[in-house]
Amino acid sequence: ELKVEQNPLFLSMQEGKNYTIYCNYSTTSDRLYWYRQDPGKSLESLFVLLSNGAVKQEGRLMASLDTKARLSTLHITAAVHDLSATYFCAVVGAGNQFYFGTGTSLTVIP
Amino acid sequence: EPEVTQTPSHQVTQMGQEVILRCVPISNHLYFYWYRQILGQKVEFLVSFYNNEISEKSEIFDDQFSVERPDGSNFTLKIRSTKLEDSAMYFCASRPGRTDGELFFGEGSRLTVL
Repeated sequence: ELKVEQNPLFLSMQEGKNYTIYCNYSTTSDRLYWYRQDPGKSLESLFVLLSNGAVKQEGRLMASLDTKARLSTLHITAAVHDLSATYFCAVVGAGNQFYFGTGTSLTVIP
Repeated sequence: EPEVTQTPSHQVTQMGQEVILRCVPISNHLYFYWYRQILGQKVEFLVSFYNNEISEKSEIFDDQFSVERPDGSNFTLKIRSTKLEDSAMYFCASRPGRTDGELFFGEGSRLTVL
């Protein structure tokens, strides 16, 4: 089974700071997705990364994909409180099922 | 904007009872999924469904679980005899036919087994 690991699992950061969340996966895949989940809510799609070297940016979030290293990063720039949520990466397996990472719970402190 | 809808939003049941969770995927999507999330934990794949049959299932999806697409719109997950450990949030998701499409999730059905 494809394994997807994220680190850190928990992240507490001050407003205005930068940080990066890492997503490693165990087997070859050229499709990686990032989702956001607010407490008690569903998962919302943030980014779709479809090739090696892909980079997507939306507001204070930027995601990148290195398929050779089997690594994706989600970089947060100048964090604000509204970014507090749990972030999941997901990798597509051979059968088109999406395998989700362990999640990173982000808390941005004013 | 089209969305995936799920019912019920919350169901409480006794251990051993049958439960059916319902989902209406986005109308032009071709792939359908069920995931579950135990409180505060990771999102676990249960089953994927394409062309009116199961395409993949996980180890969690044992004989107690089944899925159906009884008509052109609904997609159901049935748990025949619920156990305490089935308590979780169950998410239905769908995606378009193209290979790069992302999953669109419903709001989830919270199942509590007593």
